[in-house]
Amino acid sequence: EAQVTQNPRYLITVTGKKLTVTCSQNMNHEYMSWYRQDPGLGLRQIYYSMNVEVTDKGDVPEGYKVSRKEKRNFPLILESPSPNQTSLYFCASSPSGGDYTDTQYFGPGTRLTVL
Amino acid sequence: AQTVTQSQPEMSVQEAETVTLSCTYDTSENNYYLFWYKQPPSRQMILVIRQEAYKQQNATENRFSVNFQKAAKSFSLKISDSQLGDTAMYFCAFISYGKLTFGQGTILTVHP
Repeated sequence: EAQVTQNPRYLITVTGKKLTVTCSQNMNHEYMSWYRQDPGLGLRQIYYSMNVEVTDKGDVPEGYKVSRKEKRNFPLILESPSPNQTSLYFCASSPSGGDYTDTQYFGPGTRLTVL
Repeated sequence: AQTVTQSQPEMSVQEAETVTLSCTYDTSENNYYLFWYKQPPSRQMILVIRQEAYKQQNATENRFSVNFQKAAKSFSLKISDSQLGDTAMYFCAFISYGKLTFGQGTILTVHP
């Protein structure tokens, strides 16, 4: 089954404790992206990647890191989480379509709480 | 920078009736696509409909259709014959060269 998977689905952690949220897709998509969803703000793009070893900042990259060493995986790293990073996080992927405007397929979301 | 605005935080409709959700956007790009995504209580993001900016014809998917007014930068979603399963948060979104921007969302409730 074609899908985007995220782990963990739920995470409660404390301020300053490094964490990684994994994202994997089995559709051989070139493009992957991370978003956070907060009430009243919709989804905001954190980072995106157009291919292996190619990443770029979205609208809210502060406090996050990403890497794209393999085509299928795009982990989101919080080196020193803070309470304002408490949010619902989504990973998404899409074929490039040449101009990176293809429909994005979303993972199930990761609910992160930072105490 | 591109922006997407959904001015209706909440909407409600009776089952079998028609409802229209509004969306406006701002961009200087010429090559872009527009989407409506649905997010039910399960939190899953589900694509409802997609519109290519270079196409004048409005996209339709069964009970869902859009009114795309490129000059006015408007992209509304019409849901016909509303069903209880349409109850969800709806997001309008704009993409250009890999950058996807969402509106704030509209909560739609369908009443029996």
